[in-house]
Amino acid sequence: QLPLQESGPRLVKPSETLSLTCTVSGGSISSSDYYWGWVRQPPGKGLDWIGNVYYSGSTFYNPSLKSRVTLSIDTSKNQFTLKLSSVTAADTAVYYCARHKEAFSPSGSGSLDAFFDFWGQGTLVTVSS
Amino acid sequence: QSVLTQPPSASATPGQRVTISCSGSSFNIGGNTVTWYQQLPGTAPKLLIYSNNQRPSGVPDRFSGSKSGTSASLAISGLQSDDEADYYCAAFDDSQNGPVFGGGTQLIVL
Repeated sequence: QLPLQESGPRLVKPSETLSLTCTVSGGSISSSDYYWGWVRQPPGKGLDWIGNVYYSGSTFYNPSLKSRVTLSIDTSKNQFTLKLSSVTAADTAVYYCARHKEAFSPSGSGSLDAFFDFWGQGTLVTVSS
Repeated sequence: QSVLTQPPSASATPGQRVTISCSGSSFNIGGNTVTWYQQLPGTAPKLLIYSNNQRPSGVPDRFSGSKSGTSASLAISGLQSDDEADYYCAAFDDSQNGPVFGGGTQLIVL
């Protein structure tokens, strides 16, 4: 098991910046084998990838959110952080942090295995005035 | 609109076998492996199948995955009431340079 825990304000005003932190227990966030990501789920809807951050600080964002998202990582605290700017009601969702594994498939086909193997419990963030 | 396409719902009775389909393109399923997640009501998603057909430790062998071309399937045999959940397929998308998900399939155990 690898507990992950999201923390941050549950209520954000429109046009402001949503900020969440994920604290990882039971394992080092500095491992070169994994990325650390954020996924959100609007109420009653499906899953949507926000972005991933690597221990080195390299970041990868969903193109649809790239202009508003900033991910960062603090290996000394075993934490990584999401900032989403200029939020609207459409950003109301449960936000999950998770560990992301990416590796070439052992089959040798060149296919990429990519999956989230451990997830936080999620936190509902509501955008409202 | 999700990048991967799944049926919105599926249903079966206890003990039966049910399959859930997932359709994509050469940018995702066609070129990379498929992952399936199970999301029980009110909980976080859980990794169910990775690398098309591999089960993490603790996942019963009643769950199996397969892939052909740009489509994939999740099969659940010996259906149990506890299997009632939302199921999501996912794959790495080369054009997005990140993972993409299906819209999810709500499995109803009658």
